[in-house]
Amino acid sequence: QVQLVQSGAEVKKPGASVKVSCKTSGYTFTGYYIHWVRQAPGQGLEWMGWINPDSGGTNYAQRFQGRVTMTRDTSFTTAYMDLSRLRSDDTAVYYCARLQSDWDDYYFDYWGQGTLVTVSS
Amino acid sequence: QSALTQPRSVSGSPGQSVIISCTGTSSDVGGYDHVSWYQQHPGKAPKLMIYDVSKRPSGVPDRFSGSKSGNTASLTISGLQAGDEADYYCCSYIGSFVLFGGGTRLTVL
Repeated sequence: QVQLVQSGAEVKKPGASVKVSCKTSGYTFTGYYIHWVRQAPGQGLEWMGWINPDSGGTNYAQRFQGRVTMTRDTSFTTAYMDLSRLRSDDTAVYYCARLQSDWDDYYFDYWGQGTLVTVSS
Repeated sequence: QSALTQPRSVSGSPGQSVIISCTGTSSDVGGYDHVSWYQQHPGKAPKLMIYDVSKRPSGVPDRFSGSKSGNTASLTISGLQAGDEADYYCCSYIGSFVLFGGGTRLTVL
């Protein structure tokens, strides 16, 4: 069965970086884009960007340009999201999600369990 | 691009129907049929309920339905049940970008 399993919670100081992993299984890793979405406490979902696991190509939301880097390791069928220069308002649960894009359908069919990143001095 | 506009909250009694709207522009909701809806219970990851405006994944009850008119998409939940109480998010896939709505809290009275 398809699974996306994320790394554990992190506590970081302002200015530091965090790297969250998303280990996938149960499907062909290179066949589906992985997107990252975050959710601040009590707030809504915010799209951050995607990575094409096949080519390594990426596309980031404008507000994260220059601070976020998405990578993948095809040998480990794992995607990564690295966010630098952390601020307190980056405190959020970060999700990875698989984009289903068959037959001109586009939607997130599987999600990771979420990783809480807390930024505090 | 701004987030899609959803009502902050809606409510209904068991057995009733509710409609949650999601308003965007002709550049997102109005221009593409790639609108999906997600249900999120507290502390859980979002769950797909509707995709491509009105398609329902297997396993999602037919009490959930979606539609679109112009720049506004809607999620209708009929025969409300206690377990439907959750946050609901619309999502528009726009080529290489994604927009989410601000979310709607559904309360089952």
